[in-house]
Amino acid sequence: GENVEQHPSTLSVQEGDSAVIKCTYSDSASNYFPWYKQELGKRPQLIIDIRSNVGEKKDQRIAVTLNKTAKHFSLHITETQPEDSAVYFCAAHFGNEKLTFGTGTRLTIIP
Amino acid sequence: EAGVVQSPRYKIIEKKQPVAFWCNPISGHNTLYWYLQNLGQGPELLIRYENEEAVDDSQLPKDRFSAERLKGVDSTLKIQPAELGDSAVYLCASSQTSGGPHTGELFFGEGSRLTVL
Repeated sequence: GENVEQHPSTLSVQEGDSAVIKCTYSDSASNYFPWYKQELGKRPQLIIDIRSNVGEKKDQRIAVTLNKTAKHFSLHITETQPEDSAVYFCAAHFGNEKLTFGTGTRLTIIP
Repeated sequence: EAGVVQSPRYKIIEKKQPVAFWCNPISGHNTLYWYLQNLGQGPELLIRYENEEAVDDSQLPKDRFSAERLKGVDSTLKIQPAELGDSAVYLCASSQTSGGPHTGELFFGEGSRLTVL
């Protein structure tokens, strides 16, 4: 079945440094890859997404890269700030219209 | 504009009791989802509606779970009877799709946290 693997499960970085979270997916027909941020006790919110016709997308300090051949995509956060601390979920849209989420990465920014 | 509204936010029940969760999506969003989120895990789809039609309920445990979206707007998810393993957060989400494959942003509600004792 559809599978999205996400690594690492936890990540701690010093404030100001960069953070990278990686996901792999199983279905080569997948064409949409969003990233959601969930702060403690809050709802997941979309922070960035990428479609299969592009290899990279950037929005201020956040960027996502996609390697369709290798079937993996990554979230890059630069100049991290305390408010970046949260759980981040990747997801992939599979051919049967189902959006499958990864298991999440708990990011902690150390002041 | 109001976001996705869910109630109740918290529910504590004893096992074998019934429970129901309600969701009101963003106005105009024709697609509604119910997700299950266990502690430390990503959301897992239970059921997806396109208007009032359940188009994907393959992950819904139909022996105890049921859902409805009678008028294609708000929705109710019911568990009867609840089991200890049902303790989780039940997230509702909605999106605006144009009829093709889903590639739109999901807007989530705050979730309903269920504790089964």
